Amino acid sequence: QVQLVESGGGVVQPGRSLRLSCAASGFTFSSYGMHWVRQVSGKGLEWVAVIWYDGSNKYYADSVKGRFTISRDNSKNTLYLQMNNLRAEDTAVYYCARGVPADYWGQGTLVTVSS
Amino acid sequence: QSALTQPASVSGSPGQPITISCTGTSSDVGGYNYVSWYQQHPGKAPKVMIYDVSNRPSGVSNRFSGSKSGNTASLTISGLQAEDEADYYCSSYTSSSTPVFGGGTKLTV
Repeated sequence: QVQLVESGGGVVQPGRSLRLSCAASGFTFSSYGMHWVRQVSGKGLEWVAVIWYDGSNKYYADSVKGRFTISRDNSKNTLYLQMNNLRAEDTAVYYCARGVPADYWGQGTLVTVSS
Repeated sequence: QSALTQPASVSGSPGQPITISCTGTSSDVGGYNYVSWYQQHPGKAPKVMIYDVSNRPSGVSNRFSGSKSGNTASLTISGLQAEDEADYYCSSYTSSSTPVFGGGTKLTV
């Protein structure tokens, strides 16, 4: 069965960096585009970034452009989100999701940016 | 890209139908037949209920249906059940080759 498992969240100080991972299994990872979507506690969903199935194209929300980098390793069935220069407003649960539309989602990993 | 517009809340009684609207622009909802709807229960990940405006994934109840007219998409749930109580989000592909979500609608049954 399709599984997406995020990891790498935690508490980090403003201005620092964090890398999230999303381990995929149960499907041909290299055939699907992948997203990162975040959700502030009690708020709505915010799309963060997408990467094409082969990594050839990447797009970002304006709120993270220039600070976050999405990447993937198809040999390891893993999606990444490198988050630099983190801000308090980046505090959220981060989900990875498969495909367009996003038909499978992980359970999320919490990132807290606080001094 | 601005978020799509959804009502903050809707409510209905068991067995009744409800409709949630999702309004965008010609650059997103109105320009593409790539509208999806997601259901999210508290503490859980979102689940896709409708994709490509009106298609239902296998396993999703046929009480859920989607439609679109102009720049507004709609999710209809017929025969409301207690387990339908959740947050619902619409999403659309945009002219920027990226998706955008609606602000979410809290459904109370």
